[in-house]
Amino acid sequence: SAVISQKPSRDICQRGTSLTIQCQVDSQVTMMFWYRQQPGQSLTLIATANQGSEATYESGFVIDKFPISRPNLTFSTLTVSNMSPEDSSIYLCSVGRENTEAFFGQGTRLTVV
Amino acid sequence: GENVEQHPSTLSVQEGDSAVIKCTYSDSASNYFPWYKQELGKRPQLIIDIRSNVGEKKDQRIAVTLNKTAKHFSLHITETQPEDSAVYFCAASKSRGSTLGRLYFGRGTQLTVWP
Repeated sequence: SAVISQKPSRDICQRGTSLTIQCQVDSQVTMMFWYRQQPGQSLTLIATANQGSEATYESGFVIDKFPISRPNLTFSTLTVSNMSPEDSSIYLCSVGRENTEAFFGQGTRLTVV
Repeated sequence: GENVEQHPSTLSVQEGDSAVIKCTYSDSASNYFPWYKQELGKRPQLIIDIRSNVGEKKDQRIAVTLNKTAKHFSLHITETQPEDSAVYFCAASKSRGSTLGRLYFGRGTQLTVWP
């Protein structure tokens, strides 16, 4: 298994500001992902965080709004930029390894006011 | 990309009864199908998964079946208990190479087990 530390666990932010969420894994992992879970909804993949190169974004998500860093094999950040109330969600990082399950961080509950 | 459909969106059963949740997927290249349980305010936790080289897998009261031809898979919970109440998500993935762990989720099923 993998131990994933994600922070902050929650935050309340003013619209127009940005928030950076950190995800730290206790061991090196090949794949790291960022998901969004809007209230009462399913999990939607935002992007794959690639070590040493630009993230790969899913349809509907762009780098200017959700810049992602992955400086090494155990750490990644997701920034939610120029926030609006529609960005209020839970953001989760996830890691994957060959032939194992995907593990999730505890999530960051973001409220934009 | 992959499209995963999940039904029903809500399911209420009496304690001791069985619960069945069904999912379909669109990408025939998907080969890994996990099921997650998410309790209120908590992260999703894997409860069972199945790979495309297997038709059925069981773990105590939980089983998953996969029909690759029809592109659907189902979660079966027998002898349900109140603590089984949660939201259940199915997902699909191509668990190989650069797409490993890239999960596409169904919309979720709110399961309520009444004592």
